[in-house]
Amino acid sequence: AQSVSQHNHHVILSEAASLELGCNYSYGGTVNLFWYVQYPGQHLQLLLKYFSGDPLVKGIKGFEAEFIKSKFSFNLRKPSVQWSDTAEYFCAVNARGNKLVFGAGTILRVKS
Amino acid sequence: ETGVTQSPTHLIKTRGQQVTLRCSSQSGHNTVSWYQQALGQGPQFIFQYYREEENGRGNFPPRFSGLQFPNYSSELNVNALELDDSALYLCASSFPSGGTTGELFFGEGSRLTVL
Repeated sequence: AQSVSQHNHHVILSEAASLELGCNYSYGGTVNLFWYVQYPGQHLQLLLKYFSGDPLVKGIKGFEAEFIKSKFSFNLRKPSVQWSDTAEYFCAVNARGNKLVFGAGTILRVKS
Repeated sequence: ETGVTQSPTHLIKTRGQQVTLRCSSQSGHNTVSWYQQALGQGPQFIFQYYREEENGRGNFPPRFSGLQFPNYSSELNVNALELDDSALYLCASSFPSGGTTGELFFGEGSRLTVL
């Protein structure tokens, strides 16, 4: 069965610090990869996605993620976080069929 | 705003009761998926409906059932509620695709508490 592992459940950073959230998945074939974000009091929304092509994908609000097939990883990065990035971040994988498999989420708190 | 609306937003039930949750999909989307998000966990896929037919199901028992209507809105029904059914239930709609899952547009969820 597919599974997604997010390395940290809670991350606390100061503004302007760099961010990297780890995500690993277990599936050996072709995958579609996603990062979703949930800001406080809001619905889940797509941050970025990878289907094929350039393994470095850019999303909204300055976020980017790199797909490393050999490591089964899709880590999320941002060079300089802002207080408004405080949210919960979910990595998700779609390998086949029609469902997304989500990780447990990482709660990011940015101190101003 | 995604255009996906869910009702009710909060509800409390007791063990053994039945519940119906409702979802209106975003305009133009004919595929609706339901997810269960327990506290501290990521969303787990329950099932998906495409053109009024179930189009995939996760590891949930048959007491979780659903419907999709001609206007693409959807219902999630849970019978014989158990304490572990307490969770946030998320509805997500997507572009006409039927099979491959691309971007999902989520509603704000229905928070169910089972006492």
